[in-house]
Amino acid sequence: GQQLNQSPQSMFIQEGEDVSMNCTSSSIFNTWLWYKQDPGEGPVLLIALYKAGELTSNGRLTAQFGITRKDSFLNISASIPSDVGIYFCAGHSGGGSEKLVFGKGMKLTVNP
Amino acid sequence: GAVVSQHPSWVICKSGTSVKIECRSLDFQATTMFWYRQFPKQSLMLMATSNEGSKATYEQGVEKDKFLINHASLTLSTLTVTSAHPEDSSFYICSARASGGIYEQYFGPGTRLTVT
Repeated sequence: GQQLNQSPQSMFIQEGEDVSMNCTSSSIFNTWLWYKQDPGEGPVLLIALYKAGELTSNGRLTAQFGITRKDSFLNISASIPSDVGIYFCAGHSGGGSEKLVFGKGMKLTVNP
Repeated sequence: GAVVSQHPSWVICKSGTSVKIECRSLDFQATTMFWYRQFPKQSLMLMATSNEGSKATYEQGVEKDKFLINHASLTLSTLTVTSAHPEDSSFYICSARASGGIYEQYFGPGTRLTVT
């Protein structure tokens, strides 16, 4: 089945630093989504991308839909302690299926 | 907007009993709802997809007679874990997708099930 390769798996950064993470796929996706999950909570949608090459920001977060439609990245600028959590990418490939394919997640730790 | 609630947030039950988890879309109509299971430090594992008024579609390996899903209205789906056993203990999360052409899923806060 389809899989998303999300990297890195974890990051430890200092408060104020920027962080970047990405997802790649062997197949094309029509939609890329980025979620954040806090411990014991459900994932929260951060950014949704619908067009190849699209660059979208949400506050300190910026995400891009890769030109090849096989990758996406998420940047967080000027990190703060509340950015701690697990970030998941998810993709939708179309073809009549409503399912999303999820990456394995990236655990972010921010040291104050 | 796009708020999804789940109830209960946690439940402890004895082995052999059944547990029902509710998932509601509070401010939008959800033509499709999804049920996921998440093990510690792992990603989300899709269990089933449910559309309002029709039978749920289960993923391979998920027992449909054990995990009963009902999507009776455009704002409510329920997951019933029947004859629960300790190995069913997990974090169950639902999500909802609004009608239309977008594929964003909005997640509930999850339900922690512990079977003793």
